[in-house]
Amino acid sequence: QSVLTQPPSVSAAPGQKVTISCSGSSSNIGNNYVSWYQQLPGTAPKVLIYENNKRPSGIPDRFSGSKSGTSATLGITGLQTGDEADYYCGTWDGSLREWVFGGGTKLTVL
Amino acid sequence: EVQLLESGGGLVQPGALRLSCAASGFTFRNYVMNWVRQAPGKGLEWVSGISGSGDSTYYADSVKGRFTISRDNSKNTLYLQMNSLRAEDTAVYYCAKDRAVTTPYLFDYWGQGTLVTVSS
Repeated sequence: QSVLTQPPSVSAAPGQKVTISCSGSSSNIGNNYVSWYQQLPGTAPKVLIYENNKRPSGIPDRFSGSKSGTSATLGITGLQTGDEADYYCGTWDGSLREWVFGGGTKLTVL
Repeated sequence: EVQLLESGGGLVQPGALRLSCAASGFTFRNYVMNWVRQAPGKGLEWVSGISGSGDSTYYADSVKGRFTISRDNSKNTLYLQMNSLRAEDTAVYYCAKDRAVTTPYLFDYWGQGTLVTVSS
C-alpha cells in the first residue's frame, strides 16, 4: 500500500487530454514539492515535472503539473502513442523521513 | 554528460550483496544520491538516500537495519550493502542522482539499473 495514491490506469484517444491524480497528506504533498516521473516500457524512469509544476529542459509543454493542498495532478495534452508509459508521483515525507512514490499509473493511448 | 553505471547485481541465495554505482559528468560530492528499486511487474520503491557529504543517510522502513548506503567521494562511487536478503528484495535496483545537497528532493538522472534476484 503506497503512501501516495494514484489510479492504477487511465486511457484516452490520441490527441485527447488526460489527467493523473496523486493524493497524499500534510506530511508529504501538503508540505513538500511533488515531482512526476515517466517510465517507458523497459527503460529507466525520467523526470517530467519537478517542484509541482516545472518542466526540465527537453520536456514538451504538453506535460503540466499542479498541486492543491494534499493532492497533485499531472496533465498530458495532445496524447501520442509514444506517451504510453507508467507515471509516478513522488515527494519527501517529513513524518516518515522517507521519500515516497505513488503506486504508479499506466497510461494507455487507445 | 551525466552517467550513472550500476554494477554488482546477480543471483544470490538469501545472504549479502554489495551494489556499486559509478558516477561521472557532475561534481559528485555536491549532490544527494539515492537507490530506488522496482520488483518485477511492480512500481517504484525508494530504498535509501545519502547526503552529498555522506553525513546523513535515509532508509525505507522495509530495508532499515539490513541495508547500508555509503559513498566514496574520492572515487565518485555510491554503494549499497545489502545484508539478510529476502526473496522480496528481488528487483531492479536503480542509482539516481538528486538535485539536492542534504535531503532527497528530485531524482534528475537515473542509471539503467542492475537486477538482483534472491533465491535459494
